[in-house]
Amino acid sequence: ILNVEQSPQSLHVQEGDSTNFTCSFPSSNFYALHWYRWETAKSPEALFVMTLNGDEKKKGRISATLNTKEGYSYLYIKGSQPEDSATYLCGDSNDYKLSFGAGTTVTVRA
Amino acid sequence: GAGVSQSPSNKVTEKGKDVELRCDPISGHTALYWYRQRLGQGLEFLIYFQGNSAPDKSGLPSDRFSAERTGESVSTLTIQRTQQEDSAVYLCASSLGPRQFFGPGTRLTVL
Repeated sequence: ILNVEQSPQSLHVQEGDSTNFTCSFPSSNFYALHWYRWETAKSPEALFVMTLNGDEKKKGRISATLNTKEGYSYLYIKGSQPEDSATYLCGDSNDYKLSFGAGTTVTVRA
Repeated sequence: GAGVSQSPSNKVTEKGKDVELRCDPISGHTALYWYRQRLGQGLEFLIYFQGNSAPDKSGLPSDRFSAERTGESVSTLTIQRTQQEDSAVYLCASSLGPRQFFGPGTRLTVL
């Protein structure tokens, strides 16, 4: 049983379209929320670490928001490109241990 | 090196054999973690090291699994008497703060 849930499990996006997906987590005893991008045959790459309610972070065309009171985070990809194809993992942490969701696998079609 | 490295990248073994997986963390990172991902499942926490000590081993699935870290550097994850359900990608990560840096993983296949 995963405490961190991600939806959808997978999605297909046309190149140039924007998309978003969700991570929900227990709102009690919240410490930090992490987003990672994991491309096939590569290491998971940290995208964001978010700690404050209302946090919004941006890295290029990818951004994320955080609502700690209701226990959810959204990841947005603007103008999807084929190189955005990957599994996006979110995880919540105490001061050291990350508990991950199962991920959202994004496939961008040219 | 510049990042976390793991070896081997792939390991195929027969049921019942022991395997050792190695992790070289980023130099200076005091914290080291092992995770695994079995097919169709999420990343699962196994063990956390702070220095050479492991204050949290709660994710190790059975007593066939053990890990050690020496010199506040290299870590080895050992699986004894491997079973088919041990087949997974085993990932190592290291950190100095909240952000964890992952290695490329070892894909373990138990036949």
